Amino acid sequence: KAGVTQTPRYLIKTRGQQVTLSCSPISGHRSVSWYQQTPGQGLQFLFEYFSETQRNKGNFPGRFSGRQFSNSRSEMNVSTLELGDSALYLCASSDGTGNEKLFFGSGTQLSVL
Amino acid sequence: SQQGEEDPQALSIQEGENATMNCSYKTSINNLQWYRQNSGRGLVHLILIRSNEREKHSGRLRVTLDTSKKSSSLLITASRAADTASYFCANSGGSNYKLTFGKGTLLTVNP
Repeated sequence: KAGVTQTPRYLIKTRGQQVTLSCSPISGHRSVSWYQQTPGQGLQFLFEYFSETQRNKGNFPGRFSGRQFSNSRSEMNVSTLELGDSALYLCASSDGTGNEKLFFGSGTQLSVL
Repeated sequence: SQQGEEDPQALSIQEGENATMNCSYKTSINNLQWYRQNSGRGLVHLILIRSNEREKHSGRLRVTLDTSKKSSSLLITASRAADTASYFCANSGGSNYKLTFGKGTLLTVNP
């Protein structure tokens, strides 16, 4: 099986712009989670989707949003970028039956200038 | 914050030695998981231990769980240079469909 695929791998944006990140889960997985990783805050949960429905959401401002499509692929969007949004954004997939193990993609490294 | 803590933050050992990392968490759990991350890459799941288990083994990995102390430890035996990575524990933190990760332990294994 192919692993979790995240695109793009690297992204450079300027403050005020918006960005969309994409994640394709492992075939057959219906749950996709997103995490933000920074040196200061570590890994922070953004949100989780299952069958196109958001089941849980972390403590991030409304500028961070996501969605999931019928084929389980997911996107997350960050609007009005701030310098502090610079981070590694990680997507993970699972079968969604509970708090079982996650399979992570390689991440998108976002730099906001 | 629901985040747990790993201890130590950094650990440097020689090849062949054992490495022990500890993790504390704050809420009740269904299970506790350990992940590994090579620099700037995605996380790889290593092992999952359920709340009713006390010890689990997988190859050179040994994980213990003490729910009364809300703590877990990961032991890597006979370490190799390729084990150099950051190691994170994660738990459900009482919330479904979400894992709460600790800050991680950076392990360096010197050849």
